[in-house]
Amino acid sequence: GENVEQHPSTLSVQEGDSAVIKCTYSDSASNYFPWYKQELGKRPQLIIDIRSNVGEKKDQRIAVTLNKTAKHFSLHITETQPEDSAVYFCAASRSNDYKLSFGAGTTVTVRA
Amino acid sequence: KAGVTQTPRYLIKTRGQQVTLSCSPISGHRSVSWYQQTPGQGLQFLFEYFSETQRNKGNFPGRFSGRQFSNSRSEMNVSTLELGDSALYLCASSSGQGEHEQYFGPGTRLTVT
Repeated sequence: GENVEQHPSTLSVQEGDSAVIKCTYSDSASNYFPWYKQELGKRPQLIIDIRSNVGEKKDQRIAVTLNKTAKHFSLHITETQPEDSAVYFCAASRSNDYKLSFGAGTTVTVRA
Repeated sequence: KAGVTQTPRYLIKTRGQQVTLSCSPISGHRSVSWYQQTPGQGLQFLFEYFSETQRNKGNFPGRFSGRQFSNSRSEMNVSTLELGDSALYLCASSSGQGEHEQYFGPGTRLTVT
C-alpha cells in the first residue's frame, strides 16, 4: 500500500519567516495530494491540494509543489503568523480512490 | 451548507462492550470515509462508503464495521472494545464522484477503560 513520509516532525519559525514541510510517497499511481491543518482540539481542515497534472498551486500565503518523478511534494507557508501554529498533515490517494494515506504530521510553532 | 456532523462527540466505554458512532455528511455528498486518529499511529483509514456500498477498506480487524444509509448518513460500529481502540474517530465527507476533496467532521473521542 501507499506509504507517506513527512518531515520535519516539528518546526519552529519566527513570525514573518517562511515554513516548508516536505512529504514523499511510494505509490506511483497516487495522483491527488491534499494538505490538512489541525489546530488543537479541532478537526483537520483542508487548506490546499494538488493533482498530478499540476506542478505548483498557490493560495495567498500557502503554496504546494509536486515532483512526480521524485515522488515528493511540499507545502510552503510564507509570512507566517501566530495563527499558522498547528499540526499539518500531508496525504496521498489514487484517482479513483477515496482512501487517504497520511503522513505523520508536522507541528508548526510560530514565535511572535 | 451545513458541515459534517458526528455524534456523539465523546464516549466512555468499558472493554468488551460495543459502540456505534454516527456521521452525517455535507448535503449532496454521497461518500463517507472513516479514519482513526491516535498519537502513536496518526491518521489511519478505516473504510469508505458510497451509495450504501463499501468501496474501500483499510487494515483494521473485523471488529470494525460500518454501513451507510440511503440518505448518505453513515455509522461505524466497533465490537468487543479493547483499550487500544481509544482514539478520535473522524469521518470525512466527499461528493464521491470525481471530486476528491474530503471534509472532516469534528470527530468522536472514544475512551475505553
